[in-house]
Amino acid sequence: AQKITQTQPGMFVQEKEAVTLDCTYDTSDPSYGLFWYKQPSSGEMIFLIYQGSYDQQNATEGRYSLNFQKARKSANLVISASQLGDSAMYFCAMREGIQGAQKLVFGQGTRLTINP
Amino acid sequence: ETGVTQSPTHLIKTRGQQVTLRCSSQSGHNTVSWYQQALGQGPQFIFQYYREEENGRGNFPPRFSGLQFPNYSSELNVNALELDDSALYLCASSFGQVGGYTFGSGTRLTVV
Repeated sequence: AQKITQTQPGMFVQEKEAVTLDCTYDTSDPSYGLFWYKQPSSGEMIFLIYQGSYDQQNATEGRYSLNFQKARKSANLVISASQLGDSAMYFCAMREGIQGAQKLVFGQGTRLTINP
Repeated sequence: ETGVTQSPTHLIKTRGQQVTLRCSSQSGHNTVSWYQQALGQGPQFIFQYYREEENGRGNFPPRFSGLQFPNYSSELNVNALELDDSALYLCASSFGQVGGYTFGSGTRLTVV
C-alpha cells in the first residue's frame, strides 16, 4: 500500500530563514511522482513542486527545492528565505503508475508558521 | 485561462439528506478527481472521471457518486448524509491521467 509520512505536525521559523519540511514515502511501484502542495486557510491546494521517480536532478521552482533521496525514499521540501506569506499547511503527495486511474496519496501535512 | 471553480463554497445539510457539489475544470483539462479532506487531515481520494466515465475509486461507499459532463465539468453526489461526511471537498482537474493537477478552493460541507 502507498504511504506518505510527514513527521512534523508544526514548524515555527523566523522570517528570512530557510526551512526544510520532511516527507518519506513508501511504494513498490518503480514509476511514481512526488508533489508538494501549499494549503492556506482559504482551502485551495496550491501546487509548489514536482519530482518524477526517474528524474536525475532535484526539482527546483524559485524559492522551493525538493531534496530527493530515492534510496531513502525521502522527498523533503526546502523553502529558502522564508516569507510571512509562506505560513500555511504543506502537504506531500505521491502519484503512482502510468496506466489507469491516477490518484494522489497525501500525508497528514505540516503547519508552517513564519514569525516576523 | 480559468482555473478550477467549485460551487457552492459552503453548505450546511441535515443528516440523511442528499447533496450535490459542482466543479468546473480548468480549460483544456479532461480529467477530474474528487477528494475529501476531514479537519486536520490530508485529502483522501474519492474517485476520478476521465472521458465521462469513472475510472478509479477510493475507499468510499456507493452513496458517493459522480458524473462528468461533455464539457468535462463534474458533480459529486452524496446520499444519506452522515455526520462524518462533514469535510472540505476538493476537486482537481488535469489533462489526461498523468498530467499536473489544478485544485479548486473546495466546498466546505457541514452535516448537522
